[in-house]
Amino acid sequence: DAGVTQSPTHLIKTRGQHVTLRCSPISGHKSVSWYQQVLGQGPQFIFQYYEKEERGRGNFPDRFSARQFPNYSSELNVNALLLGDSALYLCASSFSRAGYTFGSGTRLTVV
Amino acid sequence: GESVGLHLPTLSVQEGDNSIINCAYSNSASDYFIWYKQESGKGPQFIIDIRSNMDKRQGQRVTVLLNKTVKHLSLQIAATQPGDSAVYFCAETPSGAGSYQLTFGKGTKLSVIP
Repeated sequence: DAGVTQSPTHLIKTRGQHVTLRCSPISGHKSVSWYQQVLGQGPQFIFQYYEKEERGRGNFPDRFSARQFPNYSSELNVNALLLGDSALYLCASSFSRAGYTFGSGTRLTVV
Repeated sequence: GESVGLHLPTLSVQEGDNSIINCAYSNSASDYFIWYKQESGKGPQFIIDIRSNMDKRQGQRVTVLLNKTVKHLSLQIAATQPGDSAVYFCAETPSGAGSYQLTFGKGTKLSVIP
């Protein structure tokens, strides 16, 4: 079975640019969540989507946005990139609280 | 604000010994706790979970203990192996329908000495 897949795996962007990260959940999972993990710290919650609706939002600026598609895949968008946005962006899919499965993440470097 | 944290940032153990990783949480609304293992270059991997109506739960070579009185969580790994070397995170989520948001601690790096 395919796990949670994220693309791209690595990305380098310049300050002020825009980035789109993609996530495909495990088949049958209707919930997708996004997390930001800065080096040396635990993941921080950004968004949760369930059945294409936003169910939760963490303490992140409006530069961060996301959406979920009818096939339950999801995109995370970040505008006006800052150096501090450099991090590992993780996507997790689940069918319940007990079923969280993370992808390997997208490593974003902002220069 | 309320958060989940860990007592020890690094832990070195001899292969074959038991490991204990601790975690303190402060959100009294938390009712579900999870331990994750994260290897370099990978996403967090589920190890074991426990609900707040339990004190102890055992898996294969791992045990999670929950002390709600002092808001403390621990992960015990029996007969630690080199493959257990990784960063371990505890995470909590509050009760509530559809509440899938996890709050992670900062992590403990476990190094297994062969």
